[in-house]
Amino acid sequence: AQRVTQPEKLLSVFKGAPVELKCNYSYSGSPELFWYVQYSRQRLQLLLRHISRESIKGFTADLNKGETSFHLKKPFAQEEDSAMYYCALTTGFQKLVFGTGTRLLVSP
Amino acid sequence: DAGVTQSPTHLIKTRGQQVTLRCSPKSGHDTVSWYQQALGQGPQFIFQYYEEEERQRGNFPDRFSGHQFPNYSSELNVNALLLGDSALYLCASSLTGRVDTQYFGPGTRLTVL
Repeated sequence: AQRVTQPEKLLSVFKGAPVELKCNYSYSGSPELFWYVQYSRQRLQLLLRHISRESIKGFTADLNKGETSFHLKKPFAQEEDSAMYYCALTTGFQKLVFGTGTRLLVSP
Repeated sequence: DAGVTQSPTHLIKTRGQQVTLRCSPKSGHDTVSWYQQALGQGPQFIFQYYEEEERQRGNFPDRFSGHQFPNYSSELNVNALLLGDSALYLCASSLTGRVDTQYFGPGTRLTVL
């Protein structure tokens, strides 16, 4: 069965500090991984996907198949990055399996 | 384009009742997926509708059923409501059955008393 684990419920950092939100997955094949973000009072939206290998709002994520991880990183956190972040995977492009989410709080 | 819209915003029901939630996809999208998000949890996939058929189903009982109309809008029906059905129900639309183009709606908050 496919599973996504986000071990931290809350990550609190100061503005300008580096951020790493952890995501581990279990699936024996080749999944596609995503990071979704939900800002306060907004809907869930796609932040980035591993296949596109792009940086969005300064965030990057690298798929490590050996460690089955897809951690989200940003070198310098901003207050506007405060949000709920969800890691998700799909194996057949027909459904998403989400983790439980990590709340990122960036303090001034 | 208003994007994905859902109605109602909030709903309160009692145990044993039935509920219908509605979703209109983003303009140009033909696929609708439904997710249940319990408090403190990530969204859980319920099912997906494409070409008016249920294409994929998650681990949910038959009390959860759905429908897709020719205009691609969709309904989620839940029968014999349980307290544990209290959650935020999210609708997401996409193209041709693929989730990598998925856009989410704001959700319907269902409370079962």
